Amino acid sequence: DGGITQSPKYLFRKEGQNVTLSCEQNLNHDAMYWYRQDPGQGLRLIYYSQIVNDFQKGDIAEGYSVSREKKESFPLTVTSAQKNPTAFYLCASSRDIFYEQYFGPGTRLTVT
Amino acid sequence: EDKVVQSPLSLVVHEGDTVTLNCSYEVTNFRSLLWYKQEKKAPTFLFMLTSSGIEKKSGRLSSILDKKELSSILNITATQTGDSAIYLCAVEAGYALNFGKGTSLLVTP
Repeated sequence: DGGITQSPKYLFRKEGQNVTLSCEQNLNHDAMYWYRQDPGQGLRLIYYSQIVNDFQKGDIAEGYSVSREKKESFPLTVTSAQKNPTAFYLCASSRDIFYEQYFGPGTRLTVT
Repeated sequence: EDKVVQSPLSLVVHEGDTVTLNCSYEVTNFRSLLWYKQEKKAPTFLFMLTSSGIEKKSGRLSSILDKKELSSILNITATQTGDSAIYLCAVEAGYALNFGKGTSLLVTP
């Protein structure tokens, strides 16, 4: 079954701790993306990667970091520097940046 | 600054009604406009529109792009309760997608 998996589905952390969200795809897509969704808001781009070992900041990259060491994987770290980390995080991938994006099931992060 | 605006923000209709959702945009380097349906979790892809005036259809859903008016509509005919969801419009400009806030559709029996 081809698709995008994100884990975990729900994540709870204490303030001040870094946390890493996993995103894996087996669609052989070159491009991968991380978005954040807050209630009543559209999706906002955090980071994207066009190819392995390369990634670019999106609109709200502050307090986040990513890596792209393998084509299939694009983990997102939410650092303690992110002021409002509680949100729904969506990972997406596309054949390349000019094609439609497909989304994983998301991770709901709650920081208290 | 790139902007994507959807209207209405929420809508309640009865099963069997026809609905029209709107999306307008102001972006530089427009490449395409996409519609997604979001139920409890991740958005699922519906349509990608690149050319003005060409309608895309899938069952009871259809969408058309008007590049002159910088807008798109998504039509759903003979609505069913399973159509209840948030419908997201996104415009591809450059490297990624700019999303609107979505239209929340509730179809009542």
